[in-house]
Amino acid sequence: AQRVTQPEKLLSVFKGAPVELKCNYSYSGSPELFWYVQYSRQRLQLLLRHISRESIKGFTADLNKGETSFHLKKPFAQEEDSAMYYCALSGQGAQKLVFGQGTRLTINP
Amino acid sequence: NAGVMQNPRHLVRRRGQEARLRCSPMKGHSHVYWYRQLPEEGLKFMVYLQKENIIDESGMPKERFSAEFPKEGPSILRIQQVVRGDSAAYFCASSPGQARGGYTFGSGTRLTVV
Repeated sequence: AQRVTQPEKLLSVFKGAPVELKCNYSYSGSPELFWYVQYSRQRLQLLLRHISRESIKGFTADLNKGETSFHLKKPFAQEEDSAMYYCALSGQGAQKLVFGQGTRLTINP
Repeated sequence: NAGVMQNPRHLVRRRGQEARLRCSPMKGHSHVYWYRQLPEEGLKFMVYLQKENIIDESGMPKERFSAEFPKEGPSILRIQQVVRGDSAAYFCASSPGQARGGYTFGSGTRLTVV
């Protein structure tokens, strides 16, 4: 079965501090992992996907197959990073996404 | 390009009524996906459609729910005889082809059943 777990519903850090949003998954094959973000009053949008190995808005995420994790990191948080973040998984050959429950990140000034 | 358009943004229905949710994909996108988000939960896949075809409906409840994506016009998610448990946010996403998760989402329709 495919499952995505985001253990923190809420995460609060100070501006300029490092941020790590945790994501663990359960899948026996080769998954594709994503992070989606939803800013206040905006639609859900793709932040990054593991196959592109890129950094978006200073965020990076590395797929760790040994630990089945895909944590999202940023070295220095900014106030505009405050949003709801969802980790998601797509199984081999599948078009649908399995989402975690989301983490609400708040950056304090 | 206006992106993925969903309407209405908010829909209130009494128990037993029908709810119709519409989704117009981005221009050039022929694949549509519907997700449901219940309160305090993540998004859950419902159905994946291409023009005139249902490709994967493994997440659709067996009864009362149906979806279509006709040759012309928007995709429709239809819920018959709504119950309180259907209250949720319903999101549509689209992609130009098989996107394996890299979609564009709409703003959602929030359905409230009273």
